[in-house]
Amino acid sequence: GAGVSQSPSNKVTEKGKDVELRCDPISGHTALYWYRQSLGQGLEFLIYFQGNSAPDKSGLPSDRFSAERTGGSVSTLTIQRTQQEDSAVYLCASSLNGDRGIVQFFGPGTRLTVL
Amino acid sequence: AQRVTQPEKLLSVFKGAPVELKCNYSYSGSPELFWYVQYSRQRLQLLLRHISRESIKGFTADLNKGETSFHLKKPFAQEEDSAMYYCALSVHTSGTYKYIFGTGTRLKVLA
Repeated sequence: GAGVSQSPSNKVTEKGKDVELRCDPISGHTALYWYRQSLGQGLEFLIYFQGNSAPDKSGLPSDRFSAERTGGSVSTLTIQRTQQEDSAVYLCASSLNGDRGIVQFFGPGTRLTVL
Repeated sequence: AQRVTQPEKLLSVFKGAPVELKCNYSYSGSPELFWYVQYSRQRLQLLLRHISRESIKGFTADLNKGETSFHLKKPFAQEEDSAMYYCALSVHTSGTYKYIFGTGTRLKVLA
């Protein structure tokens, strides 16, 4: 498919465990974003990768959260020692580049539930 | 500070009534604004952007720099417009542009 894909679609884990969420952006898109979507909080920016530049990590809520983007394509968001407040839908988006006014394309999200 | 504010978490209107979803922004540069929509069980997707000056599904949004607003309007709401709507601002940072989203407004169109 040509769209952004994410896996898994659902993840249930126990408090204290680590989880990895994966995002496959649209081929050729140099910009990749991670967001967290939760009730009452809307869409919360987490991290932004653009080309070979250092990622913008200003949205990561704690040092338990980290993300990598390998080879300028696939990205993995890792949450260590998960807490119940980490339960949310994690969305990935990509765009052609980091130009002004560029459109973002979103994946279907990963629903994370921490018990 | 760069910020997007959507003051209403939930907006309920009757079918056929006009609808306006409010969005205000704070940005010192030249603003580039968008509305994204998420229908039930679908992906978040672009609805419209102000540079295109287009009407999508009957929705329009006008940038008012004096009031720093980009409200989304539709004269006659339809039940299929029920969805979550996010206003977004593209801001310049470290040589590139990134998005700032508002907290979203859930629109419910009642029969």
